[in-house]
Amino acid sequence: GAVVSQHPSRVICKSGTSVKIECRSLDFQATTMFWYRQFPKQSLMLMATSNEGSKATYEQGVEKDKFLINHASLTLSTLTVTSAHPEDSSFYICSARDRDRLGTGELFFGEGSRLTVL
Amino acid sequence: QQQVKQSPQSLIVQKGGISIINCAYENTAFDYFPWYQQFPGKGPALLIAIRPDVSEKKEGRFTISFNKSAKQFSLHIMDSQPGDSATYFCAASMRSGNTPLVFGKGTRLSVIA
Repeated sequence: GAVVSQHPSRVICKSGTSVKIECRSLDFQATTMFWYRQFPKQSLMLMATSNEGSKATYEQGVEKDKFLINHASLTLSTLTVTSAHPEDSSFYICSARDRDRLGTGELFFGEGSRLTVL
Repeated sequence: QQQVKQSPQSLIVQKGGISIINCAYENTAFDYFPWYQQFPGKGPALLIAIRPDVSEKKEGRFTISFNKSAKQFSLHIMDSQPGDSATYFCAASMRSGNTPLVFGKGTRLSVIA
């Protein structure tokens, strides 16, 4: 149980285009999903907290107009990198908590999406 | 401000040896301390986690030791195997309020035969 699916796993795009990454909780419902970003050989850095039915909360230094987050349902959150540039190339990872097990603190991660902007 | 400090940055252990990774946290409100294992190109996978009401938790070859007064916790991997070679992250959060995890900087473990 507790599977988080991310799609696509890899994407290559041209500079200036937009890319959408989907994050789905397959066997549980998540009122909150978290988006992290990871550069090579570095740790995971929280980008934003996505709440179902409301606006995402972005961490300091993360451009909300560049990284659009939509949490349309209890099982789906999307991250859209708008007008992508080479410096946006990174590994993007989503995570979610089972809303029926919030008190455990357990956080489940997707497999990540590798974005390469040419 | 780094809320979770992890060491060492890298670790080389002989097959069959014990791998030890340490973490220290600052926020005394944290009450959930997981360890994640990450292979290249993959998302982090939950390995084992502990709450501050216990001092040790063991699952197979993996053990977490927790010292609440020192605000430190560590991961011990017994009988380390080459397949354990990965990056390990400690993390911390508060169970209430649905808050995100704060991660340490990671430890790259290499288990050599």
